[in-house]
Amino acid sequence: KAGVTQTPRYLIKTRGQQVTLSCSPISGHRSVSWYQQTPGQGLQFLFEYFSETQRNKGNFPGRFSGRQFSNSRSEMNVSTLELGDSALYLCASSLAGGRVGGYTFGSGTRLTVV
Amino acid sequence: DQQVKQNSPSLSVQEGRISILNCDYTNSMFDYFLWYKKYPAEGPTFLISISSIKDKNEDGRFTVFLNKSAKHLSLHIVPSQPGDSAVYFCAARGDNAGNMLTFGGGTRLMVKP
Repeated sequence: KAGVTQTPRYLIKTRGQQVTLSCSPISGHRSVSWYQQTPGQGLQFLFEYFSETQRNKGNFPGRFSGRQFSNSRSEMNVSTLELGDSALYLCASSLAGGRVGGYTFGSGTRLTVV
Repeated sequence: DQQVKQNSPSLSVQEGRISILNCDYTNSMFDYFLWYKKYPAEGPTFLISISSIKDKNEDGRFTVFLNKSAKHLSLHIVPSQPGDSAVYFCAARGDNAGNMLTFGGGTRLMVKP
């Protein structure tokens, strides 16, 4: 079965712009989580969506937002980009609601802010 | 405050020998632990997990040990193979609702032929 698909794979944006990243989870997975990976901070949790509702949110400023659609696809948006937002953004999907099993991660979107 | 720590940033092991990767945590509310393997520019790949009600879980060459009193877990890879060379992350999940994972900083494993 198809894995988690993230688009685009690479993105270059200018400081002050906004960006939208997309994640299509594995078919049947209703939970989608987003993580930011940077060399200095490692993998940090951004937020989780389940059935179109944000269920958990990490410690990131309000410039970072997301949403989930009825087909479980998710998008995250970063407004007013800063140089420090350059990172690998990873999406992970998992089965419905319960805390079962692990996640399946996508290959990520590499965002570079210049 | 880092709730999950991997104190060794790198580890080098000879092919065929055992690799032991360590992870410490501070939050006693974590009830599920996972190990992931990651190659550059790819997403992490799930390896093995363990519930806090167990102290050992084995899957082929991979075994995870959990010592709750010490708040410590370790991943053993036996025998190590060159293809195991990657960055390994431990992650922990709390008992609250949802699927939020807290990751350690990662350990880069190099298996030499």
